[in-house]
Amino acid sequence: EAGVAQSPRYKIIEKRQSVAFWCNPISGHATLYWYQQILGQGPKLLIQFQNNGVVDDSQLPKDRFSAERLKGVDSTLKIQPAKLEDSAVYLCASKGGADYGYTFGSGTRLTVV
Amino acid sequence: KQEVTQIPAALSVPEGENLVLNCSFTDSAIYNLQWFRQDPGKGLTSLLLIQSSQREQTSGRLNASLDKSSGRSTLYIAASQPGDSATYLCAVNRGQNFVFGPGTRLSVLP
Repeated sequence: EAGVAQSPRYKIIEKRQSVAFWCNPISGHATLYWYQQILGQGPKLLIQFQNNGVVDDSQLPKDRFSAERLKGVDSTLKIQPAKLEDSAVYLCASKGGADYGYTFGSGTRLTVV
Repeated sequence: KQEVTQIPAALSVPEGENLVLNCSFTDSAIYNLQWFRQDPGKGLTSLLLIQSSQREQTSGRLNASLDKSSGRSTLYIAASQPGDSATYLCAVNRGQNFVFGPGTRLSVLP
């Protein structure tokens, strides 16, 4: 089966600019996650979707971050405006069900200068 | 609140050694636990998934155990190779989503 697709692989922007990331999960996976991983740390959950509804966005900085999952398939994560501390790898993952494990995409490395 | 820790934070071993990575979690009410490998600048690759009813899982040179009552999991790597060099993360599934540990950075020296 095809894996989780993410783009772009890398992005460098100046602070206060905006940026968007795209994720296409494994076909049929209802649950989609966005994680932020700062260098040297484990991934931190930003938002979880079940189909096209939000299940958990308690750690999403909503003043600058937004995410959507139209039609319950692809998802986009946006940052506007970006800050230096947003420099991280943004990981998308999908899961087939409660008893299953995650499948991750290869991530987008964001550098804010 | 579920907290996950991993010991050691970093490990350097000569090629051929057997090694153990440790993962501890505070809440034993889990669905499953997953071990991942992460190469520098890359995404996470799943290694092993252990359901809460299981005590261990094996894949090739890797063996993961789970002791829910003590809140611990170990990842055993046999006959380590330089290609095993990476960061290893454990993640605990609470049902809705996973909580990750900070990882163990492994270097296997030729």
